[in-house]
Amino acid sequence: QSVLTQPPAVSGAPGQRVTISCTGSGSNIGAGYDVHWYQQLPGTAPKLLIYASSHRPSGVPDRFSGSKSGTSASLAITGLRPEDEADYYCQSYDNGLSRSWVFGGGTKLTVL
Amino acid sequence: EVQLVESGGGLAQPGRSLRLSCAVSGFNSGDSAMHWVRQPPGKGLEWVSGISANRDIIAYADSVKGRFTISRDSAKNSLYLQLNSLRPEDTAFYYCATGPLGYDFWTGFLHFWGQGTLVTVSS
Repeated sequence: QSVLTQPPAVSGAPGQRVTISCTGSGSNIGAGYDVHWYQQLPGTAPKLLIYASSHRPSGVPDRFSGSKSGTSASLAITGLRPEDEADYYCQSYDNGLSRSWVFGGGTKLTVL
Repeated sequence: EVQLVESGGGLAQPGRSLRLSCAVSGFNSGDSAMHWVRQPPGKGLEWVSGISANRDIIAYADSVKGRFTISRDSAKNSLYLQLNSLRPEDTAFYYCATGPLGYDFWTGFLHFWGQGTLVTVSS
């Protein structure tokens, strides 16, 4: 059971827009801590996709965007491409009983 | 180009130990926090441990506290993870990753990642 909740899977056709949600609580996202997103292509290591909720590292296309509100965050991907098919993870800091970095369970994006 | 290369994974029996290493190039790892993250085959990511740039913060996930020890050698631009009292549930790919420059340890993120090393715990 992950501290951050993501849908197990989402899908969309090429060119479409999809969103992936990441729901936390008052000890993590709801406490104002940033959310970061990672993309993991099949058989590879994760890669930073979005940091500080809405910032893209250099080299990440502007088709990827992030937002945060209340106890949740979202990753949006517009103009879906087949190469976007991957697992996506959100991550934040949890200031609960044990201070810890926490991840969402991951969302498998399928490009139809 | 920043590169992180993990090594030291392999097969270990329950209760035994392993030491993972992460060699960093193209980046002065001494200027940022460093972390270990693991991923059981076919499953999601779990943060394992992190160490701040000046070693004043060393933190562990509850699942490994008391069994794993993180350390770093800035002169060698390397990160280590000593895994003791291994359990079958420790079986995973272990990734090392850098934190960002100039960020608070706890609110940072994982900037650059290695390719991972597989640890298998089985009798």
